[in-house]
Amino acid sequence: DGGITQSPKYLFRKEGQNVTLSCEQNLNHDAMYWYRQDPGQGLRLIYYSQIVNDFQKGDIAEGYSVSREKKESFPLTVTSAQKNPTAFYLCASSRRDWKLANYGYTFGSGTRLTVV
Amino acid sequence: DAKTTQPNSMESNEEEPVHLPCNHSTISGTDYIHWYRQLPSQGPEYVIHGLTSNVNNRMASLAIAEDRKSSTLILHRATLRDAAVYYCIIRWGGSQGNLIFGKGTKLSVKP
Repeated sequence: DGGITQSPKYLFRKEGQNVTLSCEQNLNHDAMYWYRQDPGQGLRLIYYSQIVNDFQKGDIAEGYSVSREKKESFPLTVTSAQKNPTAFYLCASSRRDWKLANYGYTFGSGTRLTVV
Repeated sequence: DAKTTQPNSMESNEEEPVHLPCNHSTISGTDYIHWYRQLPSQGPEYVIHGLTSNVNNRMASLAIAEDRKSSTLILHRATLRDAAVYYCIIRWGGSQGNLIFGKGTKLSVKP
């Protein structure tokens, strides 16, 4: 079955360290997205990519970086510049023709990052 | 992106219909109405989306007001597994439109 895989499920980071969260999809979707969710809050968009080798900043890109070298992969690096990185991180993908009925974003199961 | 207003929480009884309201008075003609839901500690799940006409799928129905300033997600027969946070999202119809999530409505289902 096709889907989105995020790894690891739980991640612990020491202050001052960079960490990379993995996101892989085998749905042949063109677009991929990274969101952050804090307790009791909705999702906030960090970065998104509509095609390979191109990506744009979302609402809260500071302290994060991404790459899109392959259609299937969209890793997110949380750098030491991110002041409050403890959160639930969600990756998603979508088709370009999302307007068609019943086509929406497909989300991964998330990575819970904790700074220790 | 147009803003949405949803109740913070709602309760329902199992096996009864649920109507989840959403107001989006600043919606423009090219904006789509999307609904997603999120179970605890999971990623959101697509439910349904529409532009002007009412939409039905195996999960739910979407009723869109004639002036498009409000919509209602209808779960025809609530089950315990439907307990989740439901997000109503307005997405611009252009190629660069993204999903911007609010806080949603937390639905509780009582047995």
